[in-house]
Amino acid sequence: TQLLEQSPQFLSIQEGENLTVYCNSSSVFSSLQWYRQEPGEGPVLLVTVVTGGEVKKLKRLTFQFGDARKDSSLHITAAQPGDTGLYLCAGVGTSGTYKYIFGTGTRLKVLA
Amino acid sequence: NAGVTQTPKFRILKIGQSMTLQCTQDMNHNYMYWYRQDPGMGLKLIYYSVGAGITDKGEVPNGYNVSRSTTEDFPLRLELAAPSQTSVYFCASSFLGDYSNQPQHFGDGTRLSIL
Repeated sequence: TQLLEQSPQFLSIQEGENLTVYCNSSSVFSSLQWYRQEPGEGPVLLVTVVTGGEVKKLKRLTFQFGDARKDSSLHITAAQPGDTGLYLCAGVGTSGTYKYIFGTGTRLKVLA
Repeated sequence: NAGVTQTPKFRILKIGQSMTLQCTQDMNHNYMYWYRQDPGMGLKLIYYSVGAGITDKGEVPNGYNVSRSTTEDFPLRLELAAPSQTSVYFCASSFLGDYSNQPQHFGDGTRLSIL
């Protein structure tokens, strides 16, 4: 069974601070996606990383896929209250199935 | 621009009752998924489908059934509701192809309470 562990589980920071969220597994994934979910809504895709070592930037968000494609990180620079939400990583396995395995989630609160 | 539509948005059931959660998508996506999300947690896959007439179990299929008679619709059935099935249920769809790069599009969820 493939599992994705996210850390930290909860994070409360002041506006302007930097933070990093980690997504780790003992399994290899063919790709990894990051989603953000706001209360009462479904998750919305932020980015997909496919290649080991890949780094993608989305404004103040930087996403990295580990060289071995077992882990990923999300770094937010100068966090803003609008970044508040539940961040989820989701991996697609290498076995030819079409199932996304979701991580345990990181709930971020950015205080003004 | 509807995307993925789930109904109902909220429902309260008594133990032992049955119900069907509806999900429809208008993007001609081949893949459809049902997840449950318990408070403050990530999503757990219940069932998924790679096309009309094809379904398969996810991580937590017990107590649920699905069918996929058309590309657009993927209903989830609870036959004998139990308190452990209290959760928020999300339906999602994605496009067949280079699946590893395709995003899932989610509905807004169905909040189900079983008392």
